[in-house]
Amino acid sequence: AQSVTQLGSHVSVSEGALVLLRCNYSSSVPPYLFWYVQYPNQGLQLLLKYTTGATLVKGINGFEAEFKKSETSFHLTKPSAHMSDAAEYFCAVSDYGGSQGNLIFGKGTKLSVKP
Amino acid sequence: DAGVTQSPTHLIKTRGQQVTLRCSPKSGHDTVSWYQQALGQGPQFIFQYYEEEERQRGNFPDRFSGHQFPNYSSELNVNALLLGDSALYLCASSREHYEQYFGPGTRLTVT
Repeated sequence: AQSVTQLGSHVSVSEGALVLLRCNYSSSVPPYLFWYVQYPNQGLQLLLKYTTGATLVKGINGFEAEFKKSETSFHLTKPSAHMSDAAEYFCAVSDYGGSQGNLIFGKGTKLSVKP
Repeated sequence: DAGVTQSPTHLIKTRGQQVTLRCSPKSGHDTVSWYQQALGQGPQFIFQYYEEEERQRGNFPDRFSGHQFPNYSSELNVNALLLGDSALYLCASSREHYEQYFGPGTRLTVT
């Protein structure tokens, strides 16, 4: 069965510092991987996705993630944090493309950005 | 282009009651999925509708049921509400083989 583990329920960084949010997955089939962001009292917004091909994926708002099959990881990074990045981030895995399979989410990592 | 919309925004119900939540998908999308997000947790898949039929279902009891209409909008029904059903209910829409777009959610409180 597919599963996602996000290391660290809460990460705090200073403005301008590197953001690193960790995600490890378990999948019996080649995974489709996603990162979503959720701002308070809002739904989920897709940041980026990996399906096939290039393992370094670039998303919106300067975020990127690298698929590492040998490490079963899909960590999210951003070189320089901005105050507006403060939100909750969810990693998810799907058996298929996102519309066919259901998404299995991690428990989320809350990112705080200090001025 | 309107995104995914959900109604109502907030809802308060009493244990044992029934509730209906509604979702209108993004224009051009034909697939609707429902998720439950308990406080402090990631969303959990409830079920997915395509061509007016339930295509996949997560590990939720039969108290949770749904429907998809010819215009692709969808309803989520929960019967015999329990305190543990209190959560944010998220609707997501998509086209075949493309990523899911989420609505803002309906916050359900069961007292």
